[in-house]
Amino acid sequence: GAGVSQTPSNKVTEKGKYVELRCDPISGHTALYWYRQSLGQGPEFLIYFQGTGAADDSGLPNDRFFAVRPEGSVSTLKIQRTERGDSAVYLCASSAGTNNEQFFGPGTRLTVL
Amino acid sequence: QKEVEQNSGPLSVPEGAIASLNCTYSDRGSQSFFWYRQYSGKSPELIMFIYSNGDKEDGRFTAQLNKASQYVSLLIRDSQPSDSATYLCAVNSNAGNMLTFGGGTRLMVKP
Repeated sequence: GAGVSQTPSNKVTEKGKYVELRCDPISGHTALYWYRQSLGQGPEFLIYFQGTGAADDSGLPNDRFFAVRPEGSVSTLKIQRTERGDSAVYLCASSAGTNNEQFFGPGTRLTVL
Repeated sequence: QKEVEQNSGPLSVPEGAIASLNCTYSDRGSQSFFWYRQYSGKSPELIMFIYSNGDKEDGRFTAQLNKASQYVSLLIRDSQPSDSATYLCAVNSNAGNMLTFGGGTRLMVKP
């Protein structure tokens, strides 16, 4: 079956602009996670959704970052007033919740110039 | 101190040998442990997970967990050049559902 999909695969923006990154989880997976990964490091947790609600947003670095999942499926990560330090690969993962096995999408590489 | 630690490598092994990848974690409340493989420029791919102390085997891969020592490892038998990648250890603590990742160990399998 189809895996996790993310769009766009690459996004280049200018400092100060607003960006939206989209994630479409595996069908039927109720849990959805956003992580970001900088070069040479492991992924870092940002936010976790169970259904439509954000169950844990403790990893969001500041209030410029926000994410929604209005219908319990597709999620959008929104970053306002982007900064060069936001440049990273943003990864989305979904889980059926049974054993918390998380399956990752291909990621969105965000570059802030 | 990082919550999940891995030697960054590179770990170089000859083709056909056993590759041993190690990971330590600091949260004693950690419940479950995952190994992911990440090829350069790609996203992490789940290889195995383990919850109980001891060994868990899946094909050429064996995960080992020792909660008393806060140590988890991954053994890859009969290593192949296609196994060359970065291996990420991830831990799910009692505190929530998110995974905390180590920095990864780069494995190189030489023909």
